[in-house]
Amino acid sequence: GENVEQHPSTLSVQEGDSAVIKCTYSDSASNYFPWYKQELGKGPQLIIDIRSNVGEKKDQRIAVTLNKTAKHFSLHITETQPEDSAVYFCAATPDRGSTLGRLYFGRGTQLTVWP
Amino acid sequence: GAVVSQHPSWVICKSGTSVKIECRSLDFQATTMFWYRQFPKQSLMLMATSNEGSKATYEQGVEKDKFLINHASLTLSTLTVTSAHPEDSSFYICSATPWSSYNEQFFGPGTRLTVL
Repeated sequence: GENVEQHPSTLSVQEGDSAVIKCTYSDSASNYFPWYKQELGKGPQLIIDIRSNVGEKKDQRIAVTLNKTAKHFSLHITETQPEDSAVYFCAATPDRGSTLGRLYFGRGTQLTVWP
Repeated sequence: GAVVSQHPSWVICKSGTSVKIECRSLDFQATTMFWYRQFPKQSLMLMATSNEGSKATYEQGVEKDKFLINHASLTLSTLTVTSAHPEDSSFYICSATPWSSYNEQFFGPGTRLTVL
């Protein structure tokens, strides 16, 4: 099955700096890569996603890049703010077989933005 | 749009009792709903996948007789933890994929279960 690795596990940045979280995946059949933000005691919230036919996607301060050849994708947050502090999860899902639609998650990154 | 609710948000019960958690898609119909369990400072662990009107598919190691899943409609799935024990204490989260979507999943706010 799919295996998603996520780094780093913790990340501390100063307010206004950029933050980058990287993920790799193993199954070349994966074609959908969402990123979730989870605040303490809450469910994950979809913040951005990318499909395999696109190399980059941006939404205001958040961007995601995808390199299908290398099987890795990254989340970029610019001009970080204290309210960006949370755990971020990357995920991948294949487009065929019995696991269609199932998300495979990374282990998460605890992002702390210091004011 | 794409709002998923869970009820209750937290529950405390005695060992041996059963607890039911509801997951509803509020503004869309869900072809598939998923149930996850999350331990502190860990990632989400998929327990089961359910499609409306059919039996849930459980992940390896998840006891289907202990974690009963019912998906009676396109907007409601329930998870019942039967004969709960302290080791079942955890954060349970559901997610749903809209009928119109290919594979997006939207998550509920989670239910904190504490078994005494």
